Amino acid sequence: EPEVTQTPSHQVTQMGQEVILRCVPISNHLYFYWYRQILGQKVEFLVSFYNNEISEKSEIFDDQFSVERPDGSNFTLKIRSTKLEDSAMYFCASSPGMPSYNEQFFGPGTRLTVL
Amino acid sequence: KQEVTQIPAALSVPEGENLVLNCSFTDSAIYNLQWFRQDPGKGLTSLLLIQSSQREQTSGRLNASLDKSSGRSTLYIAASQPGDSATYLCAVGPRGNTPLVFGKGTRLSVIA
Repeated sequence: EPEVTQTPSHQVTQMGQEVILRCVPISNHLYFYWYRQILGQKVEFLVSFYNNEISEKSEIFDDQFSVERPDGSNFTLKIRSTKLEDSAMYFCASSPGMPSYNEQFFGPGTRLTVL
Repeated sequence: KQEVTQIPAALSVPEGENLVLNCSFTDSAIYNLQWFRQDPGKGLTSLLLIQSSQREQTSGRLNASLDKSSGRSTLYIAASQPGDSATYLCAVGPRGNTPLVFGKGTRLSVIA
């Protein structure tokens, strides 16, 4: 069964460093999302991507964040200068985007630890 | 702004018991609602998706219902097993193909 994959599973970085989190969405899906979950808190939305551009973003998604779909399969989230409060589990999700079938499928997540 | 609340925050039941998890949302104008399972330190596994025009969905021992007008959904788990122990998350989609708004989840423990 197709699934969303994410790499790395765990990333440790120093404050101020750049990180790139990678995702391979399910093939033929049209909508892509990044969410994050700080330990003990709700899953919260960061950004959505459709037709090679950002379709929606939250207040969290400031200038330090960027997303890219560099080829037909990968979807990346870049944090330019990490802060301690960026430590969280980051989830990628994808959806077929059809009106009658718009279920979101999530990857296993990347645990980001900023020291 | 849509808010999703899940009660109870934690639940412990003996194996074999039927149980109900509750989810409420403040804005009834939703497009769909998804229930997820999350194991500790792991990703989210989609369990059931209910479109706003549907009243319920079933998958195996799971049954999810939706009452849009009252802003409520329930997840019914029949004959619970220790393997059902996990956190169950409810999430609503305000419009088609838009970000989901999550509740904080109910942490379920099924005791053998």
